[in-house]
Amino acid sequence: RKEVEQDPGPFNVPEGATVAFNCTYSNSASQSFFWYRQDCRKEPKLLMSVYSSGNEDGRFTAQLNRASQYISLLIRDSKLSDSATYLCVVASYNTDKLIFGTGTRLQVFP
Amino acid sequence: DTEVTQTPKHLVMGMTNKKSLKCEQHMGHRAMYWYKQKAKKPPELMFVYSYEKLSINESVPSRFSPECPNSSLLNLHLHALQPEDSALYLCASSQEQGRLGEKLFFGSGTQLSVL
Repeated sequence: RKEVEQDPGPFNVPEGATVAFNCTYSNSASQSFFWYRQDCRKEPKLLMSVYSSGNEDGRFTAQLNRASQYISLLIRDSKLSDSATYLCVVASYNTDKLIFGTGTRLQVFP
Repeated sequence: DTEVTQTPKHLVMGMTNKKSLKCEQHMGHRAMYWYKQKAKKPPELMFVYSYEKLSINESVPSRFSPECPNSSLLNLHLHALQPEDSALYLCASSQEQGRLGEKLFFGSGTQLSVL
């Protein structure tokens, strides 16, 4: 089983739609969680950290479910510019590494 | 605009060439990283430097040789690469290595093609 798993997609959604991605992690000692966004042939960029209480940044909401060991990202009112690959990243206090999921590709169409 | 600068942006090299990738950050970060990313795959960690010392080498072949001349600079020396080494090479930095909540800042990468 992979340490961090994501549905690769693609998720094809119309502008204005709400879309949600999940990411599961296998290491129960995981402590830090992030969503990164990566455009084609560009570097990953931090979208948001994920906190235990959940957090929101504009149209983006991230949630953490420790019991079921998954994090989620909800995008409301999708824009064409949201088209990208969304990478789930997990860190554990017993390792010195960030583990990347394979990414979920989102394509927003007009 | 990224605060981690990588050069060159593109590189084509033959299997007998020697080349170097360069990375620079001026955010005062003490951890710097090299990642390799193939198309449609996530970044794969290669090396981590913490306070200018190599702390993680993910069993990378010796044809890749990292160097950290000072806290702001990170190099990756390439020699006798294979075509399968063609990939996007990403440099990243963070304030500290292994600290919870630590965020990575990536450079824009070097797209490497080995012929």
